[in-house]
Amino acid sequence: QSALAQPPSASGSPGHSVTISCTGTSSDIGYYNSVSWYQQHPGKAPKLMIYEVTKRPSGVPGRFSGSKSGNTASLTVSGLQAEDEAVYYCSSYAGNNNVIFGGGTKLTVL
Amino acid sequence: QLQLQESGPGLVKPSETLSLTCTVSGGSFSSGSFYWGWLRQPPGKGLEWIATTYYSESLYYNPSLKSRVTISVDTSKNQLSLRLTSVTAADTAIYYCATTPDLARYDYWGQGILVTVSS
Repeated sequence: QSALAQPPSASGSPGHSVTISCTGTSSDIGYYNSVSWYQQHPGKAPKLMIYEVTKRPSGVPGRFSGSKSGNTASLTVSGLQAEDEAVYYCSSYAGNNNVIFGGGTKLTVL
Repeated sequence: QLQLQESGPGLVKPSETLSLTCTVSGGSFSSGSFYWGWLRQPPGKGLEWIATTYYSESLYYNPSLKSRVTISVDTSKNQLSLRLTSVTAADTAIYYCATTPDLARYDYWGQGILVTVSS
């Protein structure tokens, strides 16, 4: 399976909102409601922020939200804060017990 | 709180076998609540799923790595293991162990271990 497509970078000012896209195909994002988003700060392990397209694990701020339309999933970060600056990865279940990832989007808080 | 810790050699020679262990603490490794997996991340690049197991009863491998990968669980030691044979420089990466309740999302991660393939 091919990797999911993410923009390499995104940015926004504190207090504003930013949306990161993740494009797959009708065999992964378009077929399964199993899109996840991870936040990774430098030198740290990824942290699960969103799963099953829209759900937030316990402890993840409500500023983080997910959605999906067709073959594209999106992560929106509202009320941007300095600590949101990180690389964000999307992933999707792709059938046959496989999971695939996007290349990552570096979010800069201006 | 579940904690995972990867361990193993940080340097492996080309064509040799990479062997890593993930030790789990802070939870019931034998509870049967999770799948256990390995993922990796080449320096400065994105994430790649390697393999996942359910207590060695069910094994799932990335098709691109399947011929070279073996994973297993030792419940008596609370450990998950990874073996990757015939390594090349392309296998240089940070290797993570992680848990997943459903094969789709990985919720608890180890801190990762950098493995460099070089002579």
